[in-house]
Amino acid sequence: SAVISQKPSRDICQRGTSLTIQCQVDSQVTMMFWYRQQPGQSLTLIATANQGSEATYESGFVIDKFPISRPNLTFSTLTVSNMSPEDSSIYLCSVLHTGYEQYFGPGTRLTVT
Amino acid sequence: EDQVTQSPEALRLQEGESSSLNCSYTVSGLRGLFWYRQDPGKGPEFLFTLYSAGEEKEKERLKATLTKKESFLHITAPKPEDSATYLCAVHSTSGTYKYIFGTGTRLKVLA
Repeated sequence: SAVISQKPSRDICQRGTSLTIQCQVDSQVTMMFWYRQQPGQSLTLIATANQGSEATYESGFVIDKFPISRPNLTFSTLTVSNMSPEDSSIYLCSVLHTGYEQYFGPGTRLTVT
Repeated sequence: EDQVTQSPEALRLQEGESSSLNCSYTVSGLRGLFWYRQDPGKGPEFLFTLYSAGEEKEKERLKATLTKKESFLHITAPKPEDSATYLCAVHSTSGTYKYIFGTGTRLKVLA
């Protein structure tokens, strides 16, 4: 399985500011994903990030709010822009490993005040 | 529309009391069904992949089974360390890599 790390593990941010979350994988992977998990709820896909192409966003998520970078096959960032309290969530990155299996990072717990 | 429903939402078991968690799904075509374990404050941990009806996978006290409409995660003689939220996800043949997640079953095993 792939080993995935995320930074920061948690943060408390002021409304109106932005936070960039980093995701690092210990092996080269083609597809990476960013999810949001709001308190008490399941995972919702924000976007799919392929190296060398623009990220593909799911309905309800836009690039201006959640810009994503994917500079190489082991790294990606998600920025949460102009934050509001509704953005308080756990943000998770995952990678597509063998077959169709996804492996997840430990998550970033974001609180917006 | 692809959909995943998990039941029960929460389950409390005594240590050693076996039970099953259910994952019902509706997809246009199933490419794979996945089970994850999630501990509080952590990312989901991959457990199993099931690809076709009749398939079974086992790991320690856990056994996952699959039919054309649902999957079960059987927990045999659970221990307190099995306490977690168990998530089910499906990947359909719709042409993307998008998973559809259920809302999970919160399992608490009492010593």
